[in-house]
Amino acid sequence: KQEVTQIPAALSVPEGENLVLNCSFTDSAIYNLQWFRQDPGKGLTSLLLIQSSQREQTSGRLNASLDKSSGRSTLYIAASQPGDSATYLCAVTAVNDMRFGAGTRLTVKP
Amino acid sequence: NAGVMQNPRHLVRRRGQEARLRCSPMKGHSHVYWYRQLPEEGLKFMVYLQKENIIDESGMPKERFSAEFPKEGPSILRIQQVVRGDSAAYFCASSPSIAGLEAEAFFGQGTRLTVV
Repeated sequence: KQEVTQIPAALSVPEGENLVLNCSFTDSAIYNLQWFRQDPGKGLTSLLLIQSSQREQTSGRLNASLDKSSGRSTLYIAASQPGDSATYLCAVTAVNDMRFGAGTRLTVKP
Repeated sequence: NAGVMQNPRHLVRRRGQEARLRCSPMKGHSHVYWYRQLPEEGLKFMVYLQKENIIDESGMPKERFSAEFPKEGPSILRIQQVVRGDSAAYFCASSPSIAGLEAEAFFGQGTRLTVV
């Protein structure tokens, strides 16, 4: 059974810092991995999708990497802004399965 | 192409009543997932359905909860005899397939169920 873990559970940084969020998964037989953002009381917004054959994806200030063999993904946020404050979740998709980590709650202080 | 549509957005039920949550996947998507998010907790998988089939319901409570995805119409998550512990946000996601390149999942805005 796939287990997805996100570390840290919470992170607080001053504005302008670069930061890394971590996601690990136990079964490397995945089709893809997605990073989502969730604002308080809101739905989920897809940020980046990495296919199993890819190693990274970039969108603006976000860069996500995938190392399938070690069961790890990182989400790198450059030059963080207060508007980046949210919960970030990773989800892995495998056969008949899409599982989420518990999320990292990010606070960027002005 | 509208996104994943969930309704209602907010639902209030008294203990013992039934709650019906609807999810219309994106056009062309035949895979639907339901997740529950309890206050201050992460998303928990409940059930994965394809048209007219339940593929994986390992996350569904054994009693009172059921889900369907008929050939026509939205997917329905049904909770019978609701209790206060059922109060949560319920999210639905859809994807066109599991395998292959076009497997990105899209989420609805969720239904927030409050049991009073």
